Amino acid sequence: GAGVSQSPRYKVAKRGQDVALRCDPISGHVSLFWYQQALGQGPEFLTYFQNEAQLDKSGLPSDRFFAERPEGSVSTLKIQRTQQEDSAVYLCASSLSRGASGDEQYFGPGTRLTVT
Amino acid sequence: KQEVTQIPAALSVPEGENLVLNCSFTDSAIYNLQWFRQDPGKGLTSLLLIQSSQREQTSGRLNASLDKSSGRSTLYIAASQPGDSATYLCAVKGYGGATNKLIFGTGTLLAVQP
Repeated sequence: GAGVSQSPRYKVAKRGQDVALRCDPISGHVSLFWYQQALGQGPEFLTYFQNEAQLDKSGLPSDRFFAERPEGSVSTLKIQRTQQEDSAVYLCASSLSRGASGDEQYFGPGTRLTVT
Repeated sequence: KQEVTQIPAALSVPEGENLVLNCSFTDSAIYNLQWFRQDPGKGLTSLLLIQSSQREQTSGRLNASLDKSSGRSTLYIAASQPGDSATYLCAVKGYGGATNKLIFGTGTLLAVQP
């Protein structure tokens, strides 16, 4: 595809519901990143995939957050039992090479999650 | 732990002015530094990427400089236009581990008045 795409663009969930956010990276990109951006803040790192391997999940805020990239392309970020503090924009980015490189990261439009 | 700070947090200028946005980081061991633009409700658009071995990058009316030793970068916007109004974020990519994730500042909200 032309760029990174994410779906849905907007999601409203009641507290306690599970949600799944999808990211389609640029075709052929090895690295995939998830970031969380709270209102008025810069994005913060959540997790990183190199192909299908999740090499870094140090930014996931709790065990309610789970991410996967089973075939090394599309990735899903799942949040179980959503809480109000999970309300944020979730951004996905991809880059051509493995993480330890100077490659530029390309970002998707984000999914805005609102937990009521 | 790497920390990125952006000053000012908000800036309002009249159309046509030249302006400078500042970014500072605490750990000089970086791979590169990126400047992004974010419009309300939108994702991030990459403006300029400066590798650690470079001193500056230019694209049109934008010029970004990097002084790694002092932990500073500036984004210079010449002849500002109302369409430049957005939040500008800088991010550094550090060394360490397999990730080299981006560490972002909190952004500068720019308003260019017509």
